[in-house]
Amino acid sequence: DAGVIQSPRHEVTEMGQEVTLRCKPISGHDYLFWYRQTMMRGLELLIYFNNNVPIDDSGMPEDRFSAKMPNASFSTLKIQPSEPRDSAVYFCASSGRRTSGTYEQYFGPGTRLTVT
Amino acid sequence: ILNVEQSPQSLHVQEGDSTNFTCSFPSSNFYALHWYRWETAKSPEALFVMTLNGDEKKKGRISATLNTKEGYSYLYIKGSQPEDSATYLCAFLRKAGANNLFFGTGTRLTVIP
Repeated sequence: DAGVIQSPRHEVTEMGQEVTLRCKPISGHDYLFWYRQTMMRGLELLIYFNNNVPIDDSGMPEDRFSAKMPNASFSTLKIQPSEPRDSAVYFCASSGRRTSGTYEQYFGPGTRLTVT
Repeated sequence: ILNVEQSPQSLHVQEGDSTNFTCSFPSSNFYALHWYRWETAKSPEALFVMTLNGDEKKKGRISATLNTKEGYSYLYIKGSQPEDSATYLCAFLRKAGANNLFFGTGTRLTVIP
């Protein structure tokens, strides 16, 4: 299994531009999570999906952030317009069904976003 | 927001020393406690998932214990090696109905050769 795949690995963009981060979860996993890592707040949950449906988006910072999961194998996190304070590493993670017993999350390699 | 606290925030130990750190979490509505190892410039990887009070898990020189009644877990590293240097995160999972983990801010361990 290739694990959780994220793209791009690095993104540098100018303030005001739209940024789209992509994630492919592990096949068969029905939960997908988007996290942001910052120095100030550590690892914070932005949103998560179950069976492609957003369950909790209370961590999404503001309306500039949106996330979609059109199918079981793909999700996007979009920032429009981007701001310098959005600079961070964004992780995607997936986990299996609750009945699997462990619910451990498998993280992708992250996307390092720099907004200048 | 649930409060998951880890201590210490950071730790420096000499190679060969044994060490331990703490994760505290709410003792009510408990389902599972996860430990993750997060090396610099990489992504977090699961070490242990514990669900029962008194659980003890071991992987090589690393082990963890769980006390759900008082809401704490310890992670122990025996004979620390430089490759153990990482941030160790714990995360709390509530009972059935929600599958989002509440992460602590981590303990950053540096093992000095």
